[in-house]
Amino acid sequence: AQTVTQSQPEMSVQEAETVTLSCTYDTSENNYYLFWYKQPPSRQMILVIRQEAYKQQNATENRFSVNFQKAAKSFSLKISDSQLGDTAMYFCAFMKHAGNTPLVFGKGTRLSVIA
Amino acid sequence: DTGVSQNPRHKITKRGQNVTFRCDPISEHNRLYWYRQTLGQGPEFLTYFQNEAQLEKSRLLSDRFSAERPKGSFSTLEIQRTEQGDSAMYLCASSLWGSGANVLTFGAGSRLTVL
Repeated sequence: AQTVTQSQPEMSVQEAETVTLSCTYDTSENNYYLFWYKQPPSRQMILVIRQEAYKQQNATENRFSVNFQKAAKSFSLKISDSQLGDTAMYFCAFMKHAGNTPLVFGKGTRLSVIA
Repeated sequence: DTGVSQNPRHKITKRGQNVTFRCDPISEHNRLYWYRQTLGQGPEFLTYFQNEAQLEKSRLLSDRFSAERPKGSFSTLEIQRTEQGDSAMYLCASSLWGSGANVLTFGAGSRLTVL
């Protein structure tokens, strides 16, 4: 079974600074997808960024980028120019590429952006 | 399309009562997922459907839980004889399987409190 580990329960960052959230996963699969989801306080979960394992290039979405290290099974999220609206729970998630498998989540990192 | 809709948003019930949650997915999405999230934790997979077929159920889904998606559109999650341990946020998500990364879109959740 796949597992996703987020080792930082809480983090904080000053507004406009850069922060990196860590995620590691365990799988024997070669093809899979990785995701970062954001869950603001009392609001629904939204997709931040996704990465396909067969792509070597790291995904980027505006101020959000990932550092995907397939051999190390590491998938960190970097948030640049942090904004107050980035305050949220961030969840790393894994899905196998093929087959009928659900999305598996880590326990999350609570990020606070401080003015 | 207004996204994934869940009702009710909040439900307070007494132990032993039955509760039912409804999820209306994005109309063109063929997959529908149910997750449970307790405070400070990541979502845990419960079950999912492709069209009207229930393809997988987690061991978390005890005999008191049942989910349906009768016409391949909306879904219901029923919990019978509720227990205090059932208190959680129940999240619904939908996706278009076969569209590549199979990105899940989440609803706002239904929060259950069992007294």
